[in-house]
Amino acid sequence: NAGVTQTPKFQVLKTGQSMTLQCAQDMNHNSMYWYRQDPGMGLRLIYYSASEGTTDKGEVPNGYNVSRLNKREFSLRLESAAPSQTSVYFCASSAWGQTYGYTFGSGTRLTVV
Amino acid sequence: GENVEQHPSTLSVQEGDSAVIKCTYSDSASNYFPWYKQELGKGPQLIIDIRSNVGEKKDQRIAVTLNKTAKHFSLHITETQPEDSAVYFCADSGYSTLTFGKGTMLLVSP
Repeated sequence: NAGVTQTPKFQVLKTGQSMTLQCAQDMNHNSMYWYRQDPGMGLRLIYYSASEGTTDKGEVPNGYNVSRLNKREFSLRLESAAPSQTSVYFCASSAWGQTYGYTFGSGTRLTVV
Repeated sequence: GENVEQHPSTLSVQEGDSAVIKCTYSDSASNYFPWYKQELGKGPQLIIDIRSNVGEKKDQRIAVTLNKTAKHFSLHITETQPEDSAVYFCADSGYSTLTFGKGTMLLVSP
């Protein structure tokens, strides 16, 4: 089983460029999440989708947009990248909400120069 | 959960020793407390979890305890091995998503 697949694994952007991080899960999970991980800051929630057709802001949504394309896929878009968005981004999914274990992808390391 | 405090931020032990990581939470409504292990260059992986109707749960060398009155829960690793070296995160369920602690880097020396 692939679990949660994120693409790309690495990316370098110039300030002002845009890009979309892709995430897909094959576990028939209802809920999906995007986190960023920065040194000393732990995992901070950017956006989440409790179920297909819904999206909500997390702790640090500014500068990002998301799309729940279907039950399997949840993408994260940076419209105009800034150096402050240099981070490791993780996608996760759960069967239904926060009272079930999350399964994380392997992450995308993004550098904005 | 609104806030999860995790201690210590780093923990160094000798192989074979025990390691304990503690977390406190503030949201009385939280009822699910998972622990994740993150190895270098990988995503966090769920290693054990506990629900609020249980005080302790064990899985081989790892165990989690929960004290609802004091609002804290702990991860216990016995007979540590070098492959236990990783960053460990606690989390608690809140209104709609998990809230994570800032992590503990565990170093197990041979």
